[in-house]
Amino acid sequence: GAVVSQHPSWVICKSGTSVKIECRSLDFQATTMFWYRQFPKQSLMLMATSNEGSKATYEQGVEKDKFLINHASLTLSTLTVTSAHPEDSSFYICSASFREGSSYNEQFFGPGTRLTVL
Amino acid sequence: KQEVTQIPAALSVPEGENLVLNCSFTDSAIYNLQWFRQDPGKGLTSLLLIQSSQREQTSGRLNASLDKSSGRSTLYIAASQPGDSATYLCAATGNQFYFGTGTSLTVIP
Repeated sequence: GAVVSQHPSWVICKSGTSVKIECRSLDFQATTMFWYRQFPKQSLMLMATSNEGSKATYEQGVEKDKFLINHASLTLSTLTVTSAHPEDSSFYICSASFREGSSYNEQFFGPGTRLTVL
Repeated sequence: KQEVTQIPAALSVPEGENLVLNCSFTDSAIYNLQWFRQDPGKGLTSLLLIQSSQREQTSGRLNASLDKSSGRSTLYIAASQPGDSATYLCAATGNQFYFGTGTSLTVIP
């Protein structure tokens, strides 16, 4: 299957700082990338859907000014957690897909980034 | 809104047993149904993808079926191994992705 990478794999930062997470599709062009968040013992939750060249669509309850998503190319999407706080500590996962007609093709997931905010 | 549930929430079986994981969804208007594996602290690994027009998919010891009319999918694991221990998630894909709550599987050597 296709490969999606994330960088960094883990990050520890101080409260109030901003953290950028990169998601790259290594061997295919991803028209759509998804960002998920998983808190301990909870299901994976979709945060936002990002289509190349357009603004991301955020799920209800996700602050777009806090979680900045940029999808400037078909192989790279970034998630920036601005002014991070301890409650933002979580496992962030991206996935990449491309659309065929009206349906999404298979999603390929990155390995995830564990963020710990002190 | 699509709701996806998985039963059981946890399952513990001795090595070698065949087992079935269940996934149910409320809205049958889906594009596909995916099964994932999640190992602790790691991202999801896609196991099987069943398109809405398909009834089942097989990969090695894994077989997944899809019955859209009843809103159900099952993941069958044959001859379970300790390395199969993980959390298994199903996700129904419509205009967005809806994940189930997962089944935590432990295979006892």
